[in-house]
Amino acid sequence: DAGITQSPRHKVTETGTPVTLRCHQTENHRYMYWYRQDPGHGLRLIHYSYGVKDTDKGEVSDGYSVSRSKTEDFLLTLESATSSQTSVYFCATRTSGGFGETQYFGPGTRLLVL
Amino acid sequence: AQSVTQLGSHVSVSEGALVLLRCNYSSSVPPYLFWYVQYPNQGLQLLLKYTTGATLVKGINGFEAEFKKSETSFHLTKPSAHMSDAAEYFCAVSDRDRDDKIIFGKGTRLHILP
Repeated sequence: DAGITQSPRHKVTETGTPVTLRCHQTENHRYMYWYRQDPGHGLRLIHYSYGVKDTDKGEVSDGYSVSRSKTEDFLLTLESATSSQTSVYFCATRTSGGFGETQYFGPGTRLLVL
Repeated sequence: AQSVTQLGSHVSVSEGALVLLRCNYSSSVPPYLFWYVQYPNQGLQLLLKYTTGATLVKGINGFEAEFKKSETSFHLTKPSAHMSDAAEYFCAVSDRDRDDKIIFGKGTRLHILP
């Protein structure tokens, strides 16, 4: 268990409102990731970070932004939530980006956009 | 670009029977390979991974997988299924030359029949 917490764990919001999800880790891992999980699509990478203030886009980044001002925290923001962003969101961390290092996952956040 | 294909979104086996979950990757250079498991309402956890060395990899809970370069495969097996193995299983790959991202397959849900 890599000490990853996500907040909130459940959220219901309305279309057009901004939403921020938080991922917090206690392991001092360099890499952090945000995925969304949808039936039939598996896990798809939204954004990831390879250090404080260093982020990059994943395969489904449109409509999402991220920030990492501290090693332990990685925030995912939906600028203006849409119903297509209803999903389960997982945060993951990794010690480094080389040699097949294991990713460790948080418990997930269920987001419903009405 | 790396990709991974899992054959069968749902697999059912009887308790005590062999479990075989299939995974094929597409890459000109053999990638790092992973199997993750997700139990209901939880995040993913690593079952096993192949980075280098022996091509038969043993993981937790009696699972193992064999890397076959000629077949570009990394199938997951367990000799005797247990009810507690019911979960969703994800095959994943990362590029040896740029290992900062892990790409996941769409998942296979394993059902265990009594």
